[in-house]
Amino acid sequence: GAVVSQHPSWVICKSGTSVKIECRSLDFQATTMFWYRQFPKQSLMLMATSNEGSKATYEQGVEKDKFLINHASLTLSTLTVTSAHPEDSSFYICSAQRGGESYNSPLHFGNGTRLTVT
Amino acid sequence: AQSVTQPDIHITVSEGASLELRCNYSYGATPYLFWYVQSPGQGLQLLLKYFSGDTLVQGIKGFEAEFKRSQSSFNLRKPSVHWSDAAEYFCAVGARGGGNKLTFGTGTQLKVEL
Repeated sequence: GAVVSQHPSWVICKSGTSVKIECRSLDFQATTMFWYRQFPKQSLMLMATSNEGSKATYEQGVEKDKFLINHASLTLSTLTVTSAHPEDSSFYICSAQRGGESYNSPLHFGNGTRLTVT
Repeated sequence: AQSVTQPDIHITVSEGASLELRCNYSYGATPYLFWYVQSPGQGLQLLLKYFSGDTLVQGIKGFEAEFKRSQSSFNLRKPSVHWSDAAEYFCAVGARGGGNKLTFGTGTQLKVEL
């Protein structure tokens, strides 16, 4: 159990276009989802915390208008990279916290999305 | 704010040899500590976690980690490495009362020689 699916696994887009990445909890309800960005050979940087039915909380330095996050249901959160540029190329990973579990319960991670902006 | 340092970017061990991956953290109080493993192109899997109590924590796949407050460390160990253990390993720290917001180290790439 506790499977998190991320789609697409990889995407190539042209500069200036927008890309949507989906994060779904397949067998549980996720009240909270987290979006991370991972540069090559670097760590995961938390971008934002997404709570179902409310606005996402962004980390300092993350542009809200650039990285749109929507958590419209208990099983789906989306990250839209708007007007993508080559510097947005990265590996994006989501994680989900099962609803009802304590705040320090393990997170369940998706397999990530490799975004390449040309 | 908390931070995590993983001093070793790459480590190579022979199959069957013992393994220790280092992790040092910075946090004003007793943190929550985690070790995750990431296979290429995939998400992260939790190996083990420390919240309180016994400072020696047992995890999955034969891994263990020891919390040493005096050294601000949470090193990951395995007595005998298998080729399938080759992956990237991340240490992470969470602040008490900080929800599930984790700060990750830069990771250690483990290579296993047959």
